Amino acid sequence: IAGITQAPTSQILAAGRRMTLRCTQDMRHNAMYWYRQDLGLGLRLIHYSNTAGTTGKGEVPDGYSVSRANTDDFPLTLASAVPSQTSVYFCASSASGSGANVLTFGAGSRLTVL
Amino acid sequence: GQNIDQPTEMTATEGAIVQINCTYQTSGFNGLFWYQQHAGEAPTFLSYNVLDGLEEKGRFSSFLSRSKGYSYLLLKELQMKDSASYLCAVRDEDYKLSFGAGTTVTVRA
Repeated sequence: IAGITQAPTSQILAAGRRMTLRCTQDMRHNAMYWYRQDLGLGLRLIHYSNTAGTTGKGEVPDGYSVSRANTDDFPLTLASAVPSQTSVYFCASSASGSGANVLTFGAGSRLTVL
Repeated sequence: GQNIDQPTEMTATEGAIVQINCTYQTSGFNGLFWYQQHAGEAPTFLSYNVLDGLEEKGRFSSFLSRSKGYSYLLLKELQMKDSASYLCAVRDEDYKLSFGAGTTVTVRA
């Protein structure tokens, strides 16, 4: 089934640890995105990539890094996790950034930093 | 940047109509989207407006007025399965999507 796969589904992490959230899509979409969702704040864009080899900063990039070595994969890394990074993280993709191309979301990764 | 406002919660009865308003202030505009998100699940696409007017898709309709920075999502013939959060999102001139905090709709029997 075509779509986006995120891993892990859920993770509890000690503060200061390094963590990588994985995201893989098999739709050959050019654009990929990472959002975090917090109660009362909605979805906030962390980083994005319009095409393989390029990345950009979103609204809340601090403490996070991404890479886009190929079309399918877009991992999100927390170099040294802090409790304020406790959130649900959604990876999304779209065929391109323009037109009526909609975002397809992964199922989410729930991260708790203690 | 974007400033997107929508009500936090709405409650309606099964079979009724509910209108969810969304206002936005934007530095650039390239379309407005509505997404539905059931509790514990990922958001899914509902509608897209880029020109002024009404877009109808079955029981759901979405309206846009660019001059007023205003949109609404109309849900007709409400069903229990429509209980969910509805997210208004605006795409900017760089084609990045910014979301409002979402409106939680509760449908009562």
